[in-house]
Amino acid sequence: QKEVEQNSGPLSVPEGAIASLNCTYSDRVSQSFFWYRQYSGKSPELIMSIYSNGDKEDGRFTAQLNKASQYVSLLIRDSQPSDSATYLCALQDQGGSEKLVFGKGTKLTVNP
Amino acid sequence: SAVISQKPSRDICQRGTSLTIQCQVDSQVTMMFWYRQQPGQSLTLIATANQGSEATYESGFVIDKFPISRPNLTFSTLTVSNMSPEDSSIYLCSVEPWEGRGTQYFGPGTRLLVL
Repeated sequence: QKEVEQNSGPLSVPEGAIASLNCTYSDRVSQSFFWYRQYSGKSPELIMSIYSNGDKEDGRFTAQLNKASQYVSLLIRDSQPSDSATYLCALQDQGGSEKLVFGKGTKLTVNP
Repeated sequence: SAVISQKPSRDICQRGTSLTIQCQVDSQVTMMFWYRQQPGQSLTLIATANQGSEATYESGFVIDKFPISRPNLTFSTLTVSNMSPEDSSIYLCSVEPWEGRGTQYFGPGTRLLVL
């Protein structure tokens, strides 16, 4: 059973700080990893995908992947109150089903 | 990314009845999925909707309770049958485009309340 673990939080950071969201996973075969943002009452929105070890940057967001440690993280620089949401980590099942396995999510609050 | 619509956006239903949720995409996609998200919880995959064949259900979900159709590459339906209050949840459709590499995009969801 593939598992994705996230600290449920809540994680609270001041405006302008760096928010660090972490995720560990149990399946060594997984190759594709995703971060989704979900505002309260809304559906999940894709923020980042990452497939290779190292960092991937997109604007204020940086995803970091370490397959040896089975660890993926999301950094949000210059955090804004509009970043307040639940962040979901997901990996793709490589067993042929194409499905995503989601963590329980980390709730982030950015305080003005 | 694909533009995905779901109907209805919300509904209130009586126990014992059934509701069919529609998911429409603006372009052809390889994969379509149905999820459930209960209040304060993460996403639970119900099934993968396969075009032209029976859906693939996850453990704990059965076709009699959640029949799914996918007649073409842009449309799918999920029916919640013989509903009980425990079926109150948000139901989400997601799609993986042809070039997806596993990337899924979610529809706006259907918020269901069963009385």
